[in-house]
Amino acid sequence: DAKTTQPNSMESNEEEPVHLPCNHSTISGTDYIHWYRQLPSQGPEYVIHGLTSNVNNRMASLAIAEDRKSSTLILHRATLRDAAVYYCILSGLAGGGADGLTFGKGTHLIIQP
Amino acid sequence: DTGVSQDPRHKITKRGQNVTFRCDPISEHNRLYWYRQTLGQGPEFLTYFQNEAQLEKSRLLSDRFSAERPKGSFSTLEIQRTEQGDSAMYLCASSPTAVNSGANVLTFGAGSRLTVL
Repeated sequence: DAKTTQPNSMESNEEEPVHLPCNHSTISGTDYIHWYRQLPSQGPEYVIHGLTSNVNNRMASLAIAEDRKSSTLILHRATLRDAAVYYCILSGLAGGGADGLTFGKGTHLIIQP
Repeated sequence: DTGVSQDPRHKITKRGQNVTFRCDPISEHNRLYWYRQTLGQGPEFLTYFQNEAQLEKSRLLSDRFSAERPKGSFSTLEIQRTEQGDSAMYLCASSPTAVNSGANVLTFGAGSRLTVL
């Protein structure tokens, strides 16, 4: 199964950009790259997803390497409310139900005021 | 649309008791998922429904666990003879059927936290 590797934790300052890396060297050609985040005491929340091209939405940007073996979630201007665990997930992994998700441990993002 | 609702939010029970959690998905979503999350870990997949049909179950779903979605709308997850190791957050998620497989976006509820004493 294609898996992802993320740093356990990262720290950033408020109002600065944050770049959250994810390695997925065994990604297959049909795997989408998804990012979810989980705030304390809440369920995971969808952030963004992409296949090959970079993607932007109101929450974040997703930069996908040309060989697709890594990606970066970009929060353009972090706020204290962005402090959460961020999960990088590949679709299509077995055992997640049809189009379900297989979560790792994610990156715990700490935002300093 | 109020999103995915889960009830109860918190449940404390004694070992050996049965507990049931309910999930109300987004009304037009035909897919429903249950996950379990323990402290410091990411959510782990338990089971998945397409409408009323339970199509996949994880090995984590022992025979003490049963899930139903009788009319393809709300779902229940029952744990019989609870054990201390069942203490966790139980998360429900729903999604529509994606046009492109792999592009499925899940909407999660806030979860039901179970504590078994």
